[in-house]
Amino acid sequence: AQSVTQPDIHITVSEGASLELRCNYSYGATPYLFWYVQSPGQGLQLLLKYFSGDTLVQGIKGFEAEFKRSQSSFNLRKPSVHWSDAAEYFCAADNYGQNFVFGPGTRLSVLP
Amino acid sequence: NAGVTQTPKFQVLKTGQSMTLQCAQDMNHEYMSWYRQDPGMGLRLIHYSVGAGITDQGEVPNGYNVSRSTTEDFPLRLLSAAPSQTSVYFCASKEISGANEQFFGPGTRLTVL
Repeated sequence: AQSVTQPDIHITVSEGASLELRCNYSYGATPYLFWYVQSPGQGLQLLLKYFSGDTLVQGIKGFEAEFKRSQSSFNLRKPSVHWSDAAEYFCAADNYGQNFVFGPGTRLSVLP
Repeated sequence: NAGVTQTPKFQVLKTGQSMTLQCAQDMNHEYMSWYRQDPGMGLRLIHYSVGAGITDQGEVPNGYNVSRSTTEDFPLRLLSAAPSQTSVYFCASKEISGANEQFFGPGTRLTVL
């Protein structure tokens, strides 16, 4: 079955530290891949997406993600975390428009 | 553009009551969907539609009905609410072809007593 996994339920980092959030997918063919962020009590905002080409994609708010076909992964990174980055992060995959699936999410806490 | 709008923002129901969650988009998107969000479970797809008159079930469709009579609107109906349907509900839409992200509404927080 098609699925998206995020192995880390909760991550805590200090402000200014680097961040990597993991995402793995299980699909027959490489799907379109997305990262969304959800601040408390808010809706979902797209950070970035990948569909082909350069495996390192840049997004908003200083985030980037790297697609690795060999590992079926699409990990999200940020070099220096700000307190305002505390939120829940969701990885998602789309099987060519027919089945948009979300991972369970990773909650990010930022220490001052 | 208003994007994706949802009403109401909050709702409290008693077990067995029925209600309709409204969703509308003004981006002329063919694809629309409903998700429920529960702690630790991410967003789970309830129903989706790839165009007017076409709907299909997602991962957790039981207890919910949908219809798509127009491109703009995609209401979600709870026929007989149960406490297990207490959740936050999100509607989303996107263009159907290509690597297009979904645009989300602000959500409806539903409590079933």
